[in-house]
Amino acid sequence: EAGVAQSPRYKIIEKRQSVAFWCNPISGHATLYWYQQILGQGPKLLIQFQNNGVVDDSQLPKDRFSAERLKGVDSTLKIQPAKLEDSAVYLCASSRDSGRSTDTQYFGPGTRLTVL
Amino acid sequence: AQSVSQHNHHVILSEAASLELGCNYSYGGTVNLFWYVQYPGQHLQLLLKYFSGDPLVKGIKGFEAEFIKSKFSFNLRKPSVQWSDTAEYFCAVNRAGTASKLTFGTGTRLQVTL
Repeated sequence: EAGVAQSPRYKIIEKRQSVAFWCNPISGHATLYWYQQILGQGPKLLIQFQNNGVVDDSQLPKDRFSAERLKGVDSTLKIQPAKLEDSAVYLCASSRDSGRSTDTQYFGPGTRLTVL
Repeated sequence: AQSVSQHNHHVILSEAASLELGCNYSYGGTVNLFWYVQYPGQHLQLLLKYFSGDPLVKGIKGFEAEFIKSKFSFNLRKPSVQWSDTAEYFCAVNRAGTASKLTFGTGTRLQVTL
């Protein structure tokens, strides 16, 4: 089966610009996650969708980050305006079942964002 | 909130050496535990997971991990590493139950030399 797809793979922007990332999960996977991985750290969950509803967005900086998952399939994550500290790899993951904590999460290749 | 500690940031081993990577978590309730691996140029992928039953869990490529509840630990082991095991290893934990977010450690970079 095809894996989690993300685009773009790399993005360089200047601070205060906006940027958007796209994710297409594995077909049939109900749950979609966006993570931020800063260099030298582990992935940190930003937002979790179950179908097209938000399950957890407690660590999403809502003043500048937004995400949507229309129709319960693909998803976009937006940053507006970007700050230097947003430089990171943004990972998308999906899991088959609706939010079971034992589910395996399947990760995409990530988008490496550099904010200058 | 739960947290995960991986004390070994960078480990260098020769091929055939034994491996043990430490992972400790802080959370008083029932947890699920995971080890993920990222090989150079590849995606993060699941190595093994524990959620109940036998505390010794076997994963892919000869890896295993032991859950020791009294020590809040879930150390990863492999008796004999190969050059192809060079990768970054992440321990992760979540609370048992529905819709519980995964918390990752900072990772351990393993370098296996020939």
